[in-house]
Amino acid sequence: ENVLTQSPGTLSLSPGERVTLSCRASQRVFSNYLAWYQQKPGQAPRLLIYGASSRATGIPDRFSGSGSGTDFTLTISRLEPEDFAVYYCQQYGSTPVYIFGPGTKVDIK
Amino acid sequence: QITLKESGPTLVKPTQTLTLTCTFSGFSLTTTGAGVGWIRQPPGKALEWLALIYWDDDKRYRPSQKSRLTITKDTSKNQVVLTMTNMDPVDTATYYCAHRQNSGATVPGPFDYWGQGTLVTVSS
Repeated sequence: ENVLTQSPGTLSLSPGERVTLSCRASQRVFSNYLAWYQQKPGQAPRLLIYGASSRATGIPDRFSGSGSGTDFTLTISRLEPEDFAVYYCQQYGSTPVYIFGPGTKVDIK
Repeated sequence: QITLKESGPTLVKPTQTLTLTCTFSGFSLTTTGAGVGWIRQPPGKALEWLALIYWDDDKRYRPSQKSRLTITKDTSKNQVVLTMTNMDPVDTATYYCAHRQNSGATVPGPFDYWGQGTLVTVSS
């Protein structure tokens, strides 16, 4: 079974900064079926990126995804106050069908 | 638009069976490629996928929980039901149902719409 590792665990940043979050898989992610979600306290996760680099409907273009194989990145070009949250990567399409990473918390410095 | 909502008990006792219902609108589980999944999140912890049911009644389960889980659908009511047997305090979590992004019958998809979640506490 693939294992997803996210780093760092927590990131303390200021609004306006650029953010790069990492998701590393222990095995190649089939067809780059890799998604990123944002979750704020008390809320359900929101899909940001799928297929490693495609933005979901309504997601601002400051969010971008990249990577392939075992190494993937979520970049937020310029942090807005509403972007402070926990971010999860997720593999889908293999067996088991869905695997989530442990998450990276982006909080205010 | 697509909406989902979870319902069920907020408190269950150890060894009991949990039954959760996901009532959805904005799509049909008879449409080719459609799917609904269940995901849980213990307090302060990460997301954990549990089960998925497809339009054709194919079902997938988290391997480590497979013996305890059953997922079913009622297309006439637009509902998906998850049962989990032999509940334990470690199963205390917020349980979410979510819509699988439909890009076709053979194309895997992430979860693009989520319910608000329901907190289930397991305690005697």
